[in-house]
Amino acid sequence: GQNIDQPTEMTATEGAIVQINCTYQTSGFNGLFWYQQHAGEAPTFLSYNVLDGLEEKGRFSSFLSRSKGYSYLLLKELQMKDSASYLCAVRDSNYQLIWGAGTKLIIKP
Amino acid sequence: ETGVTQTPRHLVMGMTNKKSLKCEQHLGHNAMYWYKQSAKKPLELMFVYSLEERVENNSVPSRFSPECPNSSHLFLHLHTLQPEDSALYLCASSQEYGDRDYGYTFGSGTRLTVV
Repeated sequence: GQNIDQPTEMTATEGAIVQINCTYQTSGFNGLFWYQQHAGEAPTFLSYNVLDGLEEKGRFSSFLSRSKGYSYLLLKELQMKDSASYLCAVRDSNYQLIWGAGTKLIIKP
Repeated sequence: ETGVTQTPRHLVMGMTNKKSLKCEQHLGHNAMYWYKQSAKKPLELMFVYSLEERVENNSVPSRFSPECPNSSHLFLHLHTLQPEDSALYLCASSQEYGDRDYGYTFGSGTRLTVV
């Protein structure tokens, strides 16, 4: 079966750095997405990785290793507004998105 | 504003009621989706419409009935629901067969409670 694993919840301190991991086992691979979802709001697109390596976008970076079935989302200089759920999703060989259950990130002052 | 608008934001309905959820996208996308989001579970894909034709129906109970009258509008008709159908229902759109790098654009969802 297809599976995406990510931690259920993480806690970090304002101003610090946090890394949210995602491991996947899917039928084929056509890209990996990270989304941010604040409580009661729509998931919003953060990043897309299809080749191995690090993609940097301001305070957020996303890393992919296809051989290891592994990705992480790195958030730097954490702000209180970064408190949200972070969803990892992989596009399989049929171009379907397979979703993880999301990681709830709690930022403390 | 996200570009994908869902109404209503909240809905409470009895098990014998009939109601409809509405989704509208203003992005010129050609594919639209209904997802169910339950607490601590992955997003569950319910229906996919590409170029206004249904291309996916993931074994969803018949008490959920989708309708896509055009590429900008998507409905989910609900009837005789069960309490376990209570969840957040998300609509999303994307550009199929084009630039796939931006994934989906989601609406804010309808929080459905079945009593």
